[in-house]
Amino acid sequence: GAVVSQHPSRVICKSGTSVKIECRSLDFQATTMFWYRQFPKQSLMLMATSNEGSKATYEQGVEKDKFLINHASLTLSTLTVTSAHPEDSSFYICSAGFFLGYTFGSGTRLTVV
Amino acid sequence: AQKITQTQPGMFVQEKEAVTLDCTYDTSDQSYGLFWYKQPSSGEMIFLIYQGSYDEQNATEGRYSLNFQKARKSANLVISASQLGDSAMYFCAMRPGGGSQGNLIFGKGTKLSVKP
Repeated sequence: GAVVSQHPSRVICKSGTSVKIECRSLDFQATTMFWYRQFPKQSLMLMATSNEGSKATYEQGVEKDKFLINHASLTLSTLTVTSAHPEDSSFYICSAGFFLGYTFGSGTRLTVV
Repeated sequence: AQKITQTQPGMFVQEKEAVTLDCTYDTSDQSYGLFWYKQPSSGEMIFLIYQGSYDEQNATEGRYSLNFQKARKSANLVISASQLGDSAMYFCAMRPGGGSQGNLIFGKGTKLSVKP
């Protein structure tokens, strides 16, 4: 139980375009979703926390206009990278809390060319 | 400041031997949770073990055990009988505060390589 499905797993896009990443909670309701970014050989850094029905809370240094987060339902949270640039190339992963633990999506490897 | 420190960027262990991955944490909260995750090259985050700050006994999950020393603020992961499939990145993480819905703070990770 407590599965989060994340799509796409891998995406290559051109510089200047936008990319949407979806995270769906399949068998539970996720009122809160955490979005992390992980650069190669580095740790997971929290980008933002999305709460169903309200605005996301962004960590310091994360551009909210560039990384648009929408959590319109209890089972879906999306991250849209707008006007992507090569420096946005990274591994993005979502996570939701449940009971005592957390479940993670499988991650999205974004490459901007 | 809330922080997780993993001082071993890389570790090698012989297959079938035990290995300890170090983790220290910093928090002023009385209630918190400590987690270990395994991240293979595919990128998925695999939950290994959890220790609550008020748990008196060290957590164990199969071949994984957590050596929790609260006074020293350390939460080392012990993997017994290492297997080739254990080769991966290992992250120690903390959920500060007593709630169950806060975000995790991750350490920098330790890359474990198991030698045949």
